[in-house]
Amino acid sequence: EAQVTQNPRYLITVTGKKLTVTCSQNMNHEYMSWYRQDPGLGLRQIYYSMNVEVTDKGDVPEGYKVSRKEKRNFPLILESPSPNQTSLYFCASSPWFRAYEQYFGPGTRLTVT
Amino acid sequence: SQQGEEDPQALSIQEGENATMNCSYKTSINNLQWYRQNSGRGLVHLILIRSNEREKHSGRLRVTLDTSKKSSSLLITASRAADTASYFCATGLEFQGAQKLVFGQGTRLTINP
Repeated sequence: EAQVTQNPRYLITVTGKKLTVTCSQNMNHEYMSWYRQDPGLGLRQIYYSMNVEVTDKGDVPEGYKVSRKEKRNFPLILESPSPNQTSLYFCASSPWFRAYEQYFGPGTRLTVT
Repeated sequence: SQQGEEDPQALSIQEGENATMNCSYKTSINNLQWYRQNSGRGLVHLILIRSNEREKHSGRLRVTLDTSKKSSSLLITASRAADTASYFCATGLEFQGAQKLVFGQGTRLTINP
């Protein structure tokens, strides 16, 4: 089944404890992206990747890192999480970096205390 | 205000009625997309309309785009309880050689049996 998977789905952690949220797609998509969703703010892009080894900042990149070593994987790294990073995170992929719909993962609900 | 703004923020109708949601945006776009999100889940792509198209249909969905007014509407005909969800418009913009999707805050649609 064609899909985007994320792990973990739920995570509660403490301030400053490094964490990684994994994202994997099995559709051979070039483009991948991370979003966070907060009440009243909609979805905001954190980072995106047009293809392997090419990543760039979105609208809210502060406090996050990403890497794209393989086409299928695009992990999101929080080196030192803070409570303002409590949010619902979505990974998405698209066949190409232009004018295509995006396929979303199921989401990761992160709580930082 | 954001690039994409949806109206209304919430809509409650009876099963069988039609639901119309509107989206307005500010800058030139390559395309406009509509997504559905069931509570706390990932977004599902519904339909993409390109900037040179005026109307598009997919099953019970009808999307219109008026680039002169910078607005779009999504019509769901003969609504069903399963249509209860949040609906987001996303404008596809050209950004640093790639497409950037900018999401609105969404319309929460409730279909009452």
